Amino acid sequence: NAGVMQNPRHLVRRRGQEARLRCSPMKGHSHVYWYRQLPEEGLKFMVYLQKENIIDESGMPKERFSAEFPKEGPSILRIQQVVRGDSAAYFCASSPGVGGLHEQYFGPGTRLTVT
Amino acid sequence: DQQVKQNSPSLSVQEGRISILNCDYTNSMFDYFLWYKKYPAEGPTFLISISSIKDKNEDGRFTVFLNKSAKHLSLHIVPSQPGDSAVYFCAASALASGNQFYFGTGTSLTVIP
Repeated sequence: NAGVMQNPRHLVRRRGQEARLRCSPMKGHSHVYWYRQLPEEGLKFMVYLQKENIIDESGMPKERFSAEFPKEGPSILRIQQVVRGDSAAYFCASSPGVGGLHEQYFGPGTRLTVT
Repeated sequence: DQQVKQNSPSLSVQEGRISILNCDYTNSMFDYFLWYKKYPAEGPTFLISISSIKDKNEDGRFTVFLNKSAKHLSLHIVPSQPGDSAVYFCAASALASGNQFYFGTGTSLTVIP
């Protein structure tokens, strides 16, 4: 019974390149959330998705960031033209999400370093 | 705008004693609260939750207390064990706003053997 899986675990990109972070939710979970943790800060909500739908993207920067959760395959967080300030740990979480509030189960995170 | 605050960045406790981690929130619409535990290089793991209809929830050595009038919750760990050493995050959510969770900045707990 695999938990939430994220890959890669570590990603190094040069300024201006694109970063793609992948998240496979727990089996049976149809809700995915992305969080970012900057150094010395707590987790900040970025986006909440269900299959093929973005439900809430109020925490996403307006430019360069996008997220998707296709019908088949993992959820993808894409960061275009990365800058040094994008260096952070990006965590994905999933929940069954149906019928009220549920705890979210987190993946191990992807540590993005922009050089 | 930090809606969930953990004002103590770190806490040290002797093994066997009680650890008390505190969390304050500002949004009165929050009605579901959780505590997560995080080890280095791992994602947060769910520990315990409480809904606003309760003021206490207990699970083994872990108890969460909610004081709605003070907008304050706390996590008690008793007795504390060295394996409890980790960063603890509190999180809050409002059912009306879906499943978006707001996290505090975390408290690093060290349990001294």
